[in-house]
Amino acid sequence: ETGVTQSPTHLIKTRGQQVTLRCSSQSGHNTVSWYQQALGQGPQFIFQYYREEENGRGNFPPRFSGLQFPNYSSELNVNALELDDSALYLCASSSLAGGIASTDTQYFGPGTRLTVL
Amino acid sequence: DQQVKQNSPSLSVQEGRISILNCDYTNSMFDYFLWYKKYPAEGPTFLISISSIKDKNEDGRFTVFLNKSAKHLSLHIVPSQPGDSAVYFCAAGDYGGSQGNLIFGKGTKLSVKP
Repeated sequence: ETGVTQSPTHLIKTRGQQVTLRCSSQSGHNTVSWYQQALGQGPQFIFQYYREEENGRGNFPPRFSGLQFPNYSSELNVNALELDDSALYLCASSSLAGGIASTDTQYFGPGTRLTVL
Repeated sequence: DQQVKQNSPSLSVQEGRISILNCDYTNSMFDYFLWYKKYPAEGPTFLISISSIKDKNEDGRFTVFLNKSAKHLSLHIVPSQPGDSAVYFCAAGDYGGSQGNLIFGKGTKLSVKP
């Protein structure tokens, strides 16, 4: 059983640029959630994808968007980067039944550290 | 407004003693609670969970207690080991809803001294 992987590990961008972060879900999981963790804070929910459709969204602007692919891998895209977007971005995979949240645990990848200059 | 609060940013404990990490929540819709451990440069690792229909769940050295009336949960680690030194996050979810996203506290940094 493979775990959750993310790429790249680190990334440096300048304000106004666009970035794409990638996540490969744990084998057998059909759901991916993305979180932003700022320094000294807990992870904050961005959105969740289930079977290639957005299944819930936190308090983030539309310039944060995502995709989930048939193999359940996922992308997080951020447009018009701002300095405050500098953070650790985490993806977590889990297994939902029929679109309704189960109590199955979310398993996290190691994260991508994004720095916006 | 923080829905999940971990009021102690740090905790230092002697090896072999008990570590108690606390977490408070405000949203009565939360029905599932988890603890994650995070080492530097790694993602959070799932530790233990509890649903709102229980008041205790035990897994080896780790026990989570839930007091629904007080909206409080705690993680007990007995005995504490130096390898337990990490940041511990409490998380809560409304799994009766449709989203399944987790709300995290800010974390408590545990240091276990040999």
